[in-house]
Formats: sequence, C-alpha cells, structure tokens
Amino acid sequence: GQQLNQSPQSMFIQEGEDVSMNCTSSSIFNTWLWYKQEPGEGPVLLIALYKAGELTSNGRLTAQFGITRKDSFLNISASIPSDVGIYFCAGPNYGGSQGNLIFGKGTKLSVKP
Amino acid sequence: DTGVSQDPRHKITKRGQNVTFRCDPISEHNRLYWYRQTLGQGPEFLTYFQNEAQLEKSRLLSDRFSAERPKGSFSTLEIQRTEQGDSAMYLCASTPHVGSGANVLTFGAGSRLTVL
Repeated sequence: GQQLNQSPQSMFIQEGEDVSMNCTSSSIFNTWLWYKQEPGEGPVLLIALYKAGELTSNGRLTAQFGITRKDSFLNISASIPSDVGIYFCAGPNYGGSQGNLIFGKGTKLSVKP
Repeated sequence: DTGVSQDPRHKITKRGQNVTFRCDPISEHNRLYWYRQTLGQGPEFLTYFQNEAQLEKSRLLSDRFSAERPKGSFSTLEIQRTEQGDSAMYLCASTPHVGSGANVLTFGAGSRLTVL
C-alpha cells in the first residue's frame, strides 16, 4: 500500500541553524501537505503544495513539491526554540475520499537554545 | 470561532468499558473526519462525514467503533468494549473545501484515550 517515508526520524540542532527534512513515496502524489504537531496538540497545517516543482514559503519555512511527484522537502531557516515539534508530511490516500490522508511517521525536531 | 473543539481531552477507562468522544467542527465546515494517532506514528484515517452522511469508513474502524453526525454539526465517536489496543489520540478534523483543497484539514487538539 501507500507509504510515506520521512527522513530523518529526529534532529537535534542548535538555535539559529537551518533544518532540512524530506518525505518520499513509492507512488505519485498530486498534493503534498506539511503539518507540525506540538506535544498534546493536534497537527497544524504549515504548507500545502499542489504542483510538481512548486516551491512555497511560509515565513522561515519553505517546502518544495519534487519534480518526480514522489517526494517533498521542508526547510526551516534560522531555527528558534518554538520550532520544536514533530513535522509530518501527508498526501491523499488514493482510492479514498478527499481528506482521507496518508501521513508519514514524522521528523522530531529539538532545538537547543 | 475557536476552531475544532474536542471533548474530553483525556479519558482513562478500564478495559471493557464504553467511551464516547465529541467533536465540534468549525461552524461552516460541512466535511468532518476522525483520525487515530498512536505513539510514534502519524495520524491514520478512520472515517469521513459530509454533512450528516458517513461516506467512508476505514478498515481500522472495527464493529466496536461507531461514529455519528446526526444534524450535520457536531460528531461523536463511540468505542464499545474498549481494549488496551484502543489507547491512542483520537483526532477530529474538518474542512469547508472541495476538490484538492478538501485535503487541507483543520485538526482539533485531540482526545487522548488510555485503556487500563
């Protein structure tokens, strides 16, 4: 079945450093979504991507929809302590209804002040 | 509007008991979803409502699980005869969008279930 593989599983970085994480799939996606989840809370949408090659920014965050449509990347520039959390990529579950999403297992980000 | 509200936030129950979770979506959102998230995993789709109609159910939704959205507004998720494997965060999400935009979900804070 469909699976999303996120890399790395966890990152421990110094405040001010840039962060890169990615998400790959064996199947093609027509939408990529990046969510952030903080402890005890639900996921919050960061960026939505709809077109191969698309590069979209949201403040210090930049995400790209891979040309092959089988991957996506999320970069965070100049990390700050409030960037701590788990970052999930997600895409549509083919054969499912709109809103039926497949999520990766997440990349856990820790930031040292 | 305060977003998607879920109640209770935490529930501890003994194995075999029934539990019910409530979700109040954002008021103009006609599409409502339930997801389950276990430790170390991403959310997994359980079921989807458009207005009051339940249009899709995952294989994860065993016959001990039932979800309703009686008037197309709030929704409830009931788990009967709970098992320890039901321990998870139950997330509700909603969206007003159609087409590819319907994949952009707003999640609630979740209801965490612990089955002893």
